[in-house]
Amino acid sequence: QLQLRESGPGLGKASETLSLTCTVSGGSIRSSTYYWGWIRQPPGKGLEWIGSVFVGGGAYYSPSLRGRVTISVDTSQNQFSLKLNSVTAADTAVYYCAGLDFWNGNHIRSVDYWGQGTLVTVPS
Amino acid sequence: QSVLTQPPSVSAAPGQKVTISCSGSSSNIGNNYVSWYQQFPGTAPKLLIYDDYKRFSGIPDRFSGSKSGTSATLGIIGLQTGDEADYYCATWDSSLTAVIFGGGTKLTVL
Repeated sequence: QLQLRESGPGLGKASETLSLTCTVSGGSIRSSTYYWGWIRQPPGKGLEWIGSVFVGGGAYYSPSLRGRVTISVDTSQNQFSLKLNSVTAADTAVYYCAGLDFWNGNHIRSVDYWGQGTLVTVPS
Repeated sequence: QSVLTQPPSVSAAPGQKVTISCSGSSSNIGNNYVSWYQQFPGTAPKLLIYDDYKRFSGIPDRFSGSKSGTSATLGIIGLQTGDEADYYCATWDSSLTAVIFGGGTKLTVL
């Protein structure tokens, strides 16, 4: 059973880069057949997919965040990371890291594993 | 505004049945798998249904999923007060090459 845990600063600064890391335990991120990604949820609002990457190659990002976001994988540490540039107060949210099952190469079928979430606040 | 449309709220009495709809288009629900999630306040969402109708590990058979054309439905029977939560549908959108979520539905068990 995979377990995911987010880590990183809970307070961001407007116009700067938000960086979060997800540590995966209970299995190797390299050998898994999952996409690894991030999903966020602004306070009191719904879920928003940020992006997902596959260790074997392939990265997909939300159209609304493309250009500001990068997700990378560190197989030696069994971790993956999120970098979101030029943040504003609108990026304030609970950020979840996740393991996503897929089919047909890149079509995500479900989010099977979720981290507990970490709140990141960007003051205006 | 979400690409997938869900009712903001539904309610039913304990022991009754409720359905939650999720409406999309041919670029998402019509040609990709739908999944459903349950989220209690202050906690991470949990996968209930994947591949339109399959229950994830440990999910009781009170929960069911179905799909027809460009719409999907989550059904819950034998409602319990512990089912009060927010429910989200999700799928892949082939045109956007993105995961999309519905706006969420708050279930109240009266």
